[in-house]
Amino acid sequence: DQQVKQNSPSLSVQEGRISILNCDYTNSMFDYFLWYKKYPAEGPTFLISISSIKDKNEDGRFTVFLNKSAKHLSLHIVPSQPGDSAVYFCAALYSGTYKYIFGTGTRLKVLA
Amino acid sequence: DARVTQTPRHKVTEMGQEVTMRCQPILGHNTVFWYRQTMMQGLELLAYFRNRAPLDDSGMPKDRFSAEMPDATLATLKIQPSEPRDSAVYFCASGLTGGDGYTFGSGTRLTVV
Repeated sequence: DQQVKQNSPSLSVQEGRISILNCDYTNSMFDYFLWYKKYPAEGPTFLISISSIKDKNEDGRFTVFLNKSAKHLSLHIVPSQPGDSAVYFCAALYSGTYKYIFGTGTRLKVLA
Repeated sequence: DARVTQTPRHKVTEMGQEVTMRCQPILGHNTVFWYRQTMMQGLELLAYFRNRAPLDDSGMPKDRFSAEMPDATLATLKIQPSEPRDSAVYFCASGLTGGDGYTFGSGTRLTVV
């Protein structure tokens, strides 16, 4: 039972345009969400997070939006750069357990 | 630059053999996780420890997998006997309870033939 879902396995975007990566979750007990970025042959690295008390968090070119009623979050990258090409994982957290549940990942390719 | 160190980086073994993967978490981190990356499931949580105590290993096949933290600088994940379906990349991650984001190691790519 996949509690965190990333339904798009891959996405291609032109350099300079916006990349939007989506993530859906099923468990309303999740109250903290994160995005990780993974390059080949490396471990995932933390990118940005959002608490369920917020609906938006921004860090430079990266913005995460949370829609609790729809159980949906998205990561926006503006403008996209070729170096952003990687696999992006969203993760959700049970408060108090500190146990991340990850999605299956979306491979982003930014075309120069 | 603090990092989580995993060894070996690659391991090829024959079915039925024992495999041990090691992880050195970042000094001072009190939470350690083992994840497995597969194409179908993404990053699956296998086990995690807080202050060296196992808190949850429900993601592991108990008959063949075991995870331990003999001391604060070492976490191990053992598979005995290994099977071809265990072929995957295994990641260790560490962090502080309540911290923002955990740090992952570079992973151990396991191939069981």
